[in-house]
Formats: sequence, structure tokens, C-alpha cells
Amino acid sequence: VQLVESGGGLVQPGGSLRLSCAASGFTFTSYWMHWVRQAPGKGLMWVSRINGDGRTTGYTDSVKGRFTSSRDNAKNTLYLQMNSLRAEDTAVYFCARSRDGYNFIGDYWGRGTLVSVSS
Amino acid sequence: DMVLTQSPDSLAVSLGERATINCKSSQSVLSSSNNNNYLVWYQQKPGQPPKLLIYWASTRESGVPDRFSGSGSGTDFTLTISSLQAEDVAVYYCQQCYSTPHTFGQGTKLEIK
Repeated sequence: VQLVESGGGLVQPGGSLRLSCAASGFTFTSYWMHWVRQAPGKGLMWVSRINGDGRTTGYTDSVKGRFTSSRDNAKNTLYLQMNSLRAEDTAVYFCARSRDGYNFIGDYWGRGTLVSVSS
Repeated sequence: DMVLTQSPDSLAVSLGERATINCKSSQSVLSSSNNNNYLVWYQQKPGQPPKLLIYWASTRESGVPDRFSGSGSGTDFTLTISSLQAEDVAVYYCQQCYSTPHTFGQGTKLEIK
């Protein structure tokens, strides 16, 4: 199993970024996938989830209406579209596979991609 | 949102000694339908993603050394390392997956005394 995030970088407040998470080594469509973030020097925060066919998603309140999780099962890739970014969105973003579906138990994680929101 | 409070915030233990980390949730994470406690423990070393240690409060993930154990039910949980090894230096997080948003404890930093 391997998860590799990409797409992070420096963006101005109000800007947008799309993160990607390339998955390999397992049957991607069989798993709910989640995004978790970690602000510099801080703890972990669950951000979103998406089911295997991409039709069911969920978000923490602070990103609802701004972030959208999607997936391309033909490419074994998970995405997080982030709009209207704020300084408080600055964090390392991890994608993770859940061994128990929508109940997040992260058995495999990527190494993360850093998003910095600053003017 | 459910709040998870870990204690202590930091802990220094001698090599070979027992380390105990507590996690208290603001609501019960025990499911009446399957009797599972929706409580997870992770280990995170600097510059690395979290590593799954324990799920359902007491089920050890495959490949995790048996010196790691989890216990508790309802709102009070404990992660125990029976004999601390140098490679166990890390930050440990509990997390609930009973309800969304899935919340984490603030973390406990474990060091060698």
C-alpha cells in the first residue's frame, strides 16, 4: 500500500489549491478515503471523507462549503479541492485509508503535503 | 463536537519501565449495536505521518509490538507501553471515530528519562 500526496504550496488568502493523493497496492474502490491535516507544531484534525464510488462525502464544519473531496477511480487518485483559503488552513495535509469505512481508522497514511496560506 | 482530553501532556519514562497515557472523551464512544468502543490510538514520530497502533480501544494493529496495549470503555481509555524502548519516543494521539467530526486528543509527548 502506498499513498503519495502532491499539490501543496504557498497560496494567498482567498486563493485555491487542489491536492492529489495517488494510491497503489490495494483495491482503491473498496475503501473510504479521508483527509487529515496538521498545522505546524500542532495536533491532528480530521478534514473530510469520501466513499468508494465518490458519491458520499463528509466534512468538518470549518471547511464545509470551501473544500470538496473527490476521486478518480480510473486513476486511483483522491483529490481535495480547497477554495477560499484562510491563514488557519495552513497545515500538512495527509490522505489516509480507513480500515473501517466512514468510521475513520487510518491504517495507511501518506507522508503529507504542506499548504501555506499567506500574503 | 466530541472533545478528547489526553493526560499527561508530556511524559518521561526510563527505558524498560511502563508508560501510561490516558484519554477521556466528553461523550461515550461505546456502540450499543456492536459493543465496540470507537477509540483509536496512533503514534507519530517527527517528520512522519501517524502510525496506527490500536483500534476498537484494545485491538492491536498487525505488526505492532505486543508491549503496546489499549484498554478502557465508554469515556475513559488508556494506552500502555509495558516496557519502554528507545524507538517508542514519539507523540501519541487518541482519536474517536464514533461520530463526526472525528476528533483527536491534543497528543502526549513521550520521552526517555
